[in-house]
Amino acid sequence: SQTIHQWPATLVQPVGSPLSLECTVEGTSNPNLYWYRQAAGRGLQLLFYSVGIGQISSEVPQNLSASRPQDRQFILSSKKLLLSDSGFYLCAWSQGVQGGGYTFGSGTRLTVV
Amino acid sequence: LAKTTQPISMDSYEGQEVNITCSHNNIATNDYITWYQQFPSQGPRFIIQGYKTKVTNEVASLFIPADRKSSTLSLPRVSLSDTAVYYCLVGDGIKAAGNKLTFGGGTRVLVKP
Repeated sequence: SQTIHQWPATLVQPVGSPLSLECTVEGTSNPNLYWYRQAAGRGLQLLFYSVGIGQISSEVPQNLSASRPQDRQFILSSKKLLLSDSGFYLCAWSQGVQGGGYTFGSGTRLTVV
Repeated sequence: LAKTTQPISMDSYEGQEVNITCSHNNIATNDYITWYQQFPSQGPRFIIQGYKTKVTNEVASLFIPADRKSSTLSLPRVSLSDTAVYYCLVGDGIKAAGNKLTFGGGTRVLVKP
């Protein structure tokens, strides 16, 4: 069966510090991968998605970047965090077949102080 | 991407049936309709998906009229643990296009004892 792992679960970082969040998927190959952010009490905002290794599409301009160094690994990064980067970050994957749904990771709660 | 509109919140009582209607007037021919459930500090969880008519699984039913411009998620005999945010999404799931799903604000369902 397929599983998705996301870590860390919580993170407190000072303003100006770097960020690296990692997401890995097991049990599937060539998945579509996604990073979403959810502000407190709000809906999910799509940040990045990837249809293959090294292929990254950005949905909104921001202080973050994403990379996909391996087929089932998706990394969210920042060189210098801002207060506005605080939020709940979710990684997800889909098989990309017609009608296919998403499977989400457990999320990372990031607080920038 | 087809935009969805759903009520912001709904209250119900244990044992009642909850029906949440979502409007998606510009749904495309290849789009599927998918519903997710999200509890606080967790990633959304797939509930049900359909293309037309009616779909039923062990947790919910999805009703889609012939014009597909709306859909209704039906949760039978809700319990307190069904208190969550419910998201309606439409998308075609095509890998090459990214299978991007845009989450709206969702519907906050509160089940009361």
